[in-house]
Amino acid sequence: SAVISQKPSRDICQRGTSLTIQCQVDSQVTMMFWYRQQPGQSLTLIATANQGSEATYESGFVIDKFPISRPNLTFSTLTVSNMSPEDSSIYLCSVDINEKLFFGSGTQLSVL
Amino acid sequence: AQSVTQPDIHITVSEGASLELRCNYSYGATPYLFWYVQSPGQGLQLLLKYFSGDTLVQGIKGFEAEFKRSQSSFNLRKPSVHWSDAAEYFCAMDTGFQKLVFGTGTRLLVSP
Repeated sequence: SAVISQKPSRDICQRGTSLTIQCQVDSQVTMMFWYRQQPGQSLTLIATANQGSEATYESGFVIDKFPISRPNLTFSTLTVSNMSPEDSSIYLCSVDINEKLFFGSGTQLSVL
Repeated sequence: AQSVTQPDIHITVSEGASLELRCNYSYGATPYLFWYVQSPGQGLQLLLKYFSGDTLVQGIKGFEAEFKRSQSSFNLRKPSVHWSDAAEYFCAMDTGFQKLVFGTGTRLLVSP
């Protein structure tokens, strides 16, 4: 398995601002993923982040809204830009280890 | 279309009783299947996975799941539920390159 640390664990933000979420893994991993869990709903994949290449976004998600960085094999960031109340969700990073996905504890974001 | 269905939104089980959570999938081939548990305020923890081979999969915390190709199902079971099992349970399917499609979740309530 892996130890996945996400920061911040929660935040309350104003409309129109941006928040950057950090994800740190205790081992080197090739593939990292960012998911969103809207209130009372299941998880939806936002994008796949591989080190050394641009992130690949799923349908309905765009880089301008959710820019992702992947500077090395143990770290990634997801920025939620120009936030609106509809962005209030839990954001989770996950990593693939031996074809299993492990998840961080998530970042609970509330946008006022 | 690729999808995962968890038909039960809520299930209440008495402590000590047996549990079965249903999961059905729609996919063009035999997928990789997972069960995750999410406790309040926490991230997702992998309970078990099915890749191939033995259709009865053992997981952590006394859980098991059975893959039935003929029914496109992957139901989660536990012979005796403990109060600490109360949580949200997600069935998920790997549609390729470790991209998971999640079901909508089943919230398990455990009564004394």
